[in-house]
Amino acid sequence: EAGVTQFPSHSVIEKGQTVTLRCDPISGHDNLYWYRRVMGKEIKFLLHFVKESKQDESGMPNNRFLAERTGGTYSTLKVQPAELEDSGVYFCASSQEAGGFSYYGYTFGSGTRLTVV
Amino acid sequence: TQLLEQSPQFLSIQEGENLTVYCNSSSVFSSLQWYRQEPGEGPVLLVTVVTGGEVKKLKRLTFQFGDARKDSSLHITAAQPGDTGLYLCAGRSNDYKLSFGAGTTVTVRA
Repeated sequence: EAGVTQFPSHSVIEKGQTVTLRCDPISGHDNLYWYRRVMGKEIKFLLHFVKESKQDESGMPNNRFLAERTGGTYSTLKVQPAELEDSGVYFCASSQEAGGFSYYGYTFGSGTRLTVV
Repeated sequence: TQLLEQSPQFLSIQEGENLTVYCNSSSVFSSLQWYRQEPGEGPVLLVTVVTGGEVKKLKRLTFQFGDARKDSSLHITAAQPGDTGLYLCAGRSNDYKLSFGAGTTVTVRA
């Protein structure tokens, strides 16, 4: 089966601009997650979708970040306006098991490396 | 506040040697997962441990979950250059979110 696909793989934007990251989960996976790794720090949770509904967005840094998952398929994460501290690697992951927890773990995408200059 | 502390941060060994990576927390986790990440890729799941005291083996890799479910270790026997990578532990508490450690970069020299 196809894995989790993220694009772009890299994005360099200027401070104040808008960037939209996209994630295509594994087909049939109801659970979709966004995580972020800022340089020098651990990977941190941003939010969790179950189908098209936001189950938990407690990890979203602020209201400059907007995530959507229309129709319960692919998801987008928009940063507007981008700030320098938004730089990092944004990972998307999906899982199938009910309740969100997957004994078999999440399948992660390769990530989008965002650089804000 | 980082919930999971991994040690060491970096580890460089010769092919054939053994290594152990530790993952410690003051919090209790319902389960703990180990991932390996290659440059430019996302983390890939190696194992999930659920029961306190559980030991799982995956070829030359041995994973242990502490009795109190607060800590875990990853032991690699006779390391090979293909074992080189970033090893991450991630704990799950009472929800679906994963809390990651900062990772251990392992380099196995041929």
